[in-house]
Amino acid sequence: GAVVSQHPSRVICKSGTSVKIECRSLDFQATTMFWYRQFPKQSLMLMATSNEGSKATYEQGVEKDKFLINHASLTLSTLTVTSAHPEDSSFYICSARSWDRGRNQPQHFGDGTRLSIL
Amino acid sequence: DQQVKQNSPSLSVQEGRISILNCDYTNSMFDYFLWYKKYPAEGPTFLISISSIKDKNEDGRFTVFLNKSAKHLSLHIVPSQPGDSAVYFCAAAVNEKLTFGTGTRLTIIP
Repeated sequence: GAVVSQHPSRVICKSGTSVKIECRSLDFQATTMFWYRQFPKQSLMLMATSNEGSKATYEQGVEKDKFLINHASLTLSTLTVTSAHPEDSSFYICSARSWDRGRNQPQHFGDGTRLSIL
Repeated sequence: DQQVKQNSPSLSVQEGRISILNCDYTNSMFDYFLWYKKYPAEGPTFLISISSIKDKNEDGRFTVFLNKSAKHLSLHIVPSQPGDSAVYFCAAAVNEKLTFGTGTRLTIIP
């Protein structure tokens, strides 16, 4: 159980393009979804937290107009990188967690999206 | 400022022996700690966690130890198996937000 699907796994596109990444919880309802970014040889860095039906909470230094997050249902969150530039090239990964047995359950991760902007 | 540190980027252990992965943290507000395992081209998979009110949690071959005074936690895997070869991340949480270490690559030698 606790499967999180992330799509696409890899994107290569031209500078100025907007890219949408989907994150789905396949077998549970995700009350909260998280978006992380990872640069080479660094740890996962939290970008934003989104709860279903409400606006995402962004971490300091993350541009909300650049990284649009939508969490319209309990099983789907999307991250759109708007007008992407080469410096946005990175590994983006989502996670999802449910509320069960009276507490938040551990986050379960998708397989990530490698974004390359030419 | 790296609040969660895994100082060993790699570790090799003979099959059948104990693997010990270490993690240090600096933020005393962290109240929950987790270990994740990651295979290439896959996302991290949750392994085991521990609350800051405990000092040990065991699940099968995996045991996590927490030393709050030293701000140190460790993951013990015994006996180690070839399938345990992966990158292991420790993570610490405060207000439900996770901060990750940079990972340790564990290689189990048959």
